[in-house]
Amino acid sequence: IAGITQAPTSQILAAGRRMTLRCTQDMRHNAMYWYRQDLGLGLRLIHYSNTAGTTGKGEVPDGYSVSRANTDDFPLTLASAVPSQTSVYFCASSEGSGSGTDTQYFGPGTRLTVL
Amino acid sequence: GQNIDQPTEMTATEGAIVQINCTYQTSGFNGLFWYQQHAGEAPTFLSYNVLDGLEEKGRFSSFLSRSKGYSYLLLKELQMKDSASYLCAVRDADYKLSFGAGTTVTVRA
Repeated sequence: IAGITQAPTSQILAAGRRMTLRCTQDMRHNAMYWYRQDLGLGLRLIHYSNTAGTTGKGEVPDGYSVSRANTDDFPLTLASAVPSQTSVYFCASSEGSGSGTDTQYFGPGTRLTVL
Repeated sequence: GQNIDQPTEMTATEGAIVQINCTYQTSGFNGLFWYQQHAGEAPTFLSYNVLDGLEEKGRFSSFLSRSKGYSYLLLKELQMKDSASYLCAVRDADYKLSFGAGTTVTVRA
């Protein structure tokens, strides 16, 4: 059972460079999410997708873009990285059924450092 | 939006009980979640409350009072492996989760 995978595990990036963080799930979940986690601030939602072909902005979307071409993949792109984007990035998915717990399951995370 | 508060740190002794409180102010409420996160790892689901009252799951219990905007997570018979961060998260009417900053629990022998 793979669940959710993210790549790379960690990355050091020069400011101004473009970077795509990959996320793939094999649970056939409709909804997918990208969060960043910073010390003292907790997890903050960057972008989300309720179903393939649709995306939406979360709490902190500036400087990030996403696409959802199919059910399984939800890449996050930093067009021109800045040091304030240094963080741990978590991808998550859920059934998106809107019923009961509809729990979000998290990937292992990508630790990104922008210098 | 959501405003979610929980203590930053708590320390307890192995075998003891610890209660982690979470208060929230929300523009729409559709459930409250607790997640556990060990250092360097992903958050994992612990519990879910949408109605007032206590939900018990083994050594862990979670309580919700919607009128007070209050929840707690109770960890009983603490074990060393329970040392982790515990995240309170509120789901809004659009099914988006807002997380508190997390409570780091340290279990001492």
